Amino acid sequence: AQTVTQSQPEMSVQEAETVTLSCTYDTSESDYYLFWYKQPPSRQMILVIRQEAYKQQNATENRFSVNFQKAAKSFSLKISDSQLGDAAMYFCAYRALNTGNQFYFGTGTSLTVIP
Amino acid sequence: NAGVTQTPKFRVLKTGQSMTLLCAQDMNHEYMYWYRQDPGMGLRLIHYSVGEGTTAKGEVPDGYNVSRLKKQNFLLGLESAAPSQTSVYFCASSSHRTWGVPDTQYFGPGTRLTVL
Repeated sequence: AQTVTQSQPEMSVQEAETVTLSCTYDTSESDYYLFWYKQPPSRQMILVIRQEAYKQQNATENRFSVNFQKAAKSFSLKISDSQLGDAAMYFCAYRALNTGNQFYFGTGTSLTVIP
Repeated sequence: NAGVTQTPKFRVLKTGQSMTLLCAQDMNHEYMYWYRQDPGMGLRLIHYSVGEGTTAKGEVPDGYNVSRLKKQNFLLGLESAAPSQTSVYFCASSSHRTWGVPDTQYFGPGTRLTVL
């Protein structure tokens, strides 16, 4: 079974600084997709960024970017110019398209932004 | 579009009571999912459905049943609630691909269930 590991239960960053959240996964699939979700105190799950495994280029969305290392099965999220609104739980997720279409989530990283 | 909606938003049950959580999506998605979220454990998949009339077990299916009689609805049932089922429940839906891009999941707002 696929597993997703987020080894940092909590992280903090100074406002305007950069922070990197780590995620590793285990899979034997070759075709899969990776996502980062943000969950603020409102509980709503919000997609931050997605990455297709067959693409070597790292995805970016404004201040958010990923470092995707397929051989190492690593998918970290970098948040640049951190803002107070970035404070939330962040979940890494894996989706395989060829086996059941399930999503597998990590246990989350709680990010605190310090003014 | 409302997206994904869940009913109810909060519920308190006594041990042994039954209830049904309703999830509805208006995006014509094939796939629907039920998760539970507990502190320190992330989201764990309870059951999912890849189409109308089909359901499958996820990681933690025991104590739950589901039905997908209509494409837009996915029901989660607890026949005899237990305190261990106290959690926040999320429904999500997804398409296979949208414009060639692997689709994400769209989540409902969650249901906070307490079993006394």
